[in-house]
Amino acid sequence: KQEVTQIPAALSVPEGENLVLNCSFTDSAIYNLQWFRQDPGKGLTSLLLIQSSQREQTSGRLNASLDKSSGRSTLYIAASQPGDSATYLCAVFRGYGGATNKLIFGTGTLLAVQP
Amino acid sequence: EAGVVQSPRYKIIEKKQPVAFWCNPISGHNTLYWYRQNLGQGPELLIRYENEEAVDDSQLPKDRFSAERLKGVDSTLKIQPAELGDSAVYLCASSSSGHQNTEAFFGQGTRLTVV
Repeated sequence: KQEVTQIPAALSVPEGENLVLNCSFTDSAIYNLQWFRQDPGKGLTSLLLIQSSQREQTSGRLNASLDKSSGRSTLYIAASQPGDSATYLCAVFRGYGGATNKLIFGTGTLLAVQP
Repeated sequence: EAGVVQSPRYKIIEKKQPVAFWCNPISGHNTLYWYRQNLGQGPELLIRYENEEAVDDSQLPKDRFSAERLKGVDSTLKIQPAELGDSAVYLCASSSSGHQNTEAFFGQGTRLTVV
């Protein structure tokens, strides 16, 4: 059974710092991995999608890496801003077809960027 | 282009009452998901549709939950009767199927409170 873990559960940093959020998964047979952002009381906003054949993806100040063999992904946020404060969720897409076609989520990292 | 639209945003009902949630996916997306997110947890899949067919409803509590996706576009998720433990955020997501890029897009969610 695929399990997704995110460390740390919560993180508080001063504005301007670079930071790394970690995601690990137990079954390396994944199709892709997706990072989401969730603001309080809101839905999920897709940040980055990494296909299983890729090692990283970049969007603005965000960079996500994927190491399938070790079952790990990291989300790097450069020059953090108070507006980055939110919960960050990673999710693995197990496969295509049947009961494996679904996202399995971690419990998220609650990020607070202090001005 | 409009994203995934859900309504209502919030719903408060007494236990044993029925409730329904509505979702309009992104135009052209054949795959539609309903997820449930409990407080402090990541979302968990309830049901997945490919067009109008429910291809994975293994996590749906069928004694009280039902869903439909008529004509393979909009979808409705119903709970009857609701229990206190059903209080959660219900998220709808959609993605295009048959492609390598299976990025999922989520709606704003419906926050259900059962009192």
